[in-house]
Amino acid sequence: SQELEQSPQSLIVQEGKNLTINCTSSKTLYGLYWYKQKYGEGLIFLMMLQKGGEEKSHEKITAKLDEKKQQSSLHITASQPSHAGIYLCGAVNAGNMLTFGGGTRLMVKP
Amino acid sequence: EPEVTQTPSHQVTQMGQEVILRCVPISNHLYFYWYRQILGQKVEFLVSFYNNEISEKSEIFDDQFSVERPDGSNFTLKIRSTKLEDSAMYFCASSDSRSGANVLTFGAGSRLTVL
Repeated sequence: SQELEQSPQSLIVQEGKNLTINCTSSKTLYGLYWYKQKYGEGLIFLMMLQKGGEEKSHEKITAKLDEKKQQSSLHITASQPSHAGIYLCGAVNAGNMLTFGGGTRLMVKP
Repeated sequence: EPEVTQTPSHQVTQMGQEVILRCVPISNHLYFYWYRQILGQKVEFLVSFYNNEISEKSEIFDDQFSVERPDGSNFTLKIRSTKLEDSAMYFCASSDSRSGANVLTFGAGSRLTVL
């Protein structure tokens, strides 16, 4: 089965600082999804990457998928308190099930 | 923006009781999912449902669990004879495609507490 490892598990940054979250797969990724979960709430779709080397941005969040399609990073520029939450990477496995990594808990200190 | 709605938001039940969690997926979506998140743990896939039948299920989804689409709008998860370890947040999701650019839209979750 495909395992997704996220690092770091938790992160505390000062408001205004940049940060990067990583997601590594044990197998080639055919689709990599980033979701955000606010504490105790549902999952909000951020971005999906499919092609090796692909990069997408939305507002201050940029996600990249490496050429080998086994690693993705999520970069937040000039973090704000509204960025706080749990960031989850997900991938579709051979059975077309979307499975998630363990998540990265982000706190932004004002 | 269309959303997935789940009820109840929180349910407390006694061990051994049956629980039904309800979901209203986005109206033009055809694929439906249930996920579970035990406190402090990963979001885990339970089951996917398409064309009135289960398409995939995980090892977690044993005979204690069942899903149903009783009408054109609701999608339910039934948990029979609940156990303490069933306490978790249960998320419903829906999508309009199964593979490729399959973006799941999640509900806010139903928190189940088994005493």
